[in-house]
Amino acid sequence: EAQVTQNPRYLITVTGKKLTVTCSQNMNHEYMSWYRQDPGLGLRQIYYSMNVEVTDKGDVPEGYKVSRKEKRNFPLILESPSPNQTSLYFCASSFGFNGELFFGEGSRLTVL
Amino acid sequence: GQSLEQPSEVTAVEGAIVQINCTYQTSGFYGLSWYQQHDGGAPTFLSYNALDGLEETGRFSSFLSRSDSYGYLLLQELQMKDSASYFCAPGLHSGAGSYQLTFGKGTKLSVIP
Repeated sequence: EAQVTQNPRYLITVTGKKLTVTCSQNMNHEYMSWYRQDPGLGLRQIYYSMNVEVTDKGDVPEGYKVSRKEKRNFPLILESPSPNQTSLYFCASSFGFNGELFFGEGSRLTVL
Repeated sequence: GQSLEQPSEVTAVEGAIVQINCTYQTSGFYGLSWYQQHDGGAPTFLSYNALDGLEETGRFSSFLSRSDSYGYLLLQELQMKDSASYFCAPGLHSGAGSYQLTFGKGTKLSVIP
């Protein structure tokens, strides 16, 4: 089954404790992206990647890191999480330039 | 700068037709996508307009006018299951060979009996 898989789906952590949200897709997509969703703010792009070893900042990259060492994986790293990073995170992927993103189920992160 | 406007909420009656408008001001625009998101779920792709005009997919249609920086999503024969949030998402060229898909704040559609 074609899918984008994120883990963990739910996480409660404390300020400053490094964490990684993994994202994996099995569709051989070149493009991958991370979004965060907050009430009243819609979906905002954090980082995106056009292909392996190519990453770019989105609209809200502060406090996040990403890497793209393999085509299928695009982990989101929070080196020192803060409460303002409490949010619902979505990973997405697409093949090429056609406006169609496939989203993971989301990861709800709470930073205390 | 860049801006993206769509209504925050729309209410419509089951069986009716509803139109959700989207206006954008972006540089590097290449196409407009629409996504649906039910409460607690992930966004799912509905349609994409690369060219001006109407694209039809079953009960849903999407329209784009590049000259007016405007698009809309048209939902016909509304069903209760269409109650969800709808996002317009302009695609942007953001550098050499690079592109982004940005999202509006979404329109919450409530379908009432």
